Amino acid sequence: AQSVAQPEDQVNVAEGNPLTVKCTYSVSGNPYLFWYVQYPNRGLQFLLKYITGDNLVKGSYGFEAEFNKSQTSFHLKKPSALVSDSALYFCAVRAYGQNFVFGPGTRLSVLP
Amino acid sequence: NAGVTQTPKFQVLKTGQSMTLQCAQDMNHNSMYWYRQDPGMGLRLIYYSASEGTTDKGEVPNGYNVSRLNKREFSLRLESAAPSQTSVYFCASSEQGELANEQYFGPGTRLTVT
Repeated sequence: AQSVAQPEDQVNVAEGNPLTVKCTYSVSGNPYLFWYVQYPNRGLQFLLKYITGDNLVKGSYGFEAEFNKSQTSFHLKKPSALVSDSALYFCAVRAYGQNFVFGPGTRLSVLP
Repeated sequence: NAGVTQTPKFQVLKTGQSMTLQCAQDMNHNSMYWYRQDPGMGLRLIYYSASEGTTDKGEVPNGYNVSRLNKREFSLRLESAAPSQTSVYFCASSEQGELANEQYFGPGTRLTVT
């Protein structure tokens, strides 16, 4: 069975500092990995995805994520955080024959 | 292009009442999904429809039914609401056929059952 873990409920970072939101996964077969962001009272918005190829993928709003097969991780990163990045972030995984499985979410707070 | 729309935005029900949550998408997607979001649990799949005319159970289908009315519309029905169904409900859609296709989400329906 597929599963996704986001080990931190909350991440706090100062504006201008780099940020990392962690995600690890368990899946049978090749994973397709996604990051979504949710702003208050809104639906989830797609940020980026890993399908195959380059382990570093770039997405919207300056975010990027690094796929690490040996560590079964897909951490979300941004070189310089903005206050407007404060939101709830979800990691999701999908594999052949399976539906999306979402992690529990990590709340990111960027402090001015 | 409205994307995925959901109605209503908010709803309060008494235990035992029924209601239908509506979802529509204008992106010509084949696949549609219903999720519920509860604090600390992420999104859990209730039902999905891989294409018009088909529906399948997800992780937490008990107490719900769905109808794929046409390619655009996918409704979720609570026949006899229970307090455990208090949640935020999201509809999503995606292109069929490619595992790598991301989902597009509606704004959600916040449901409270008293």
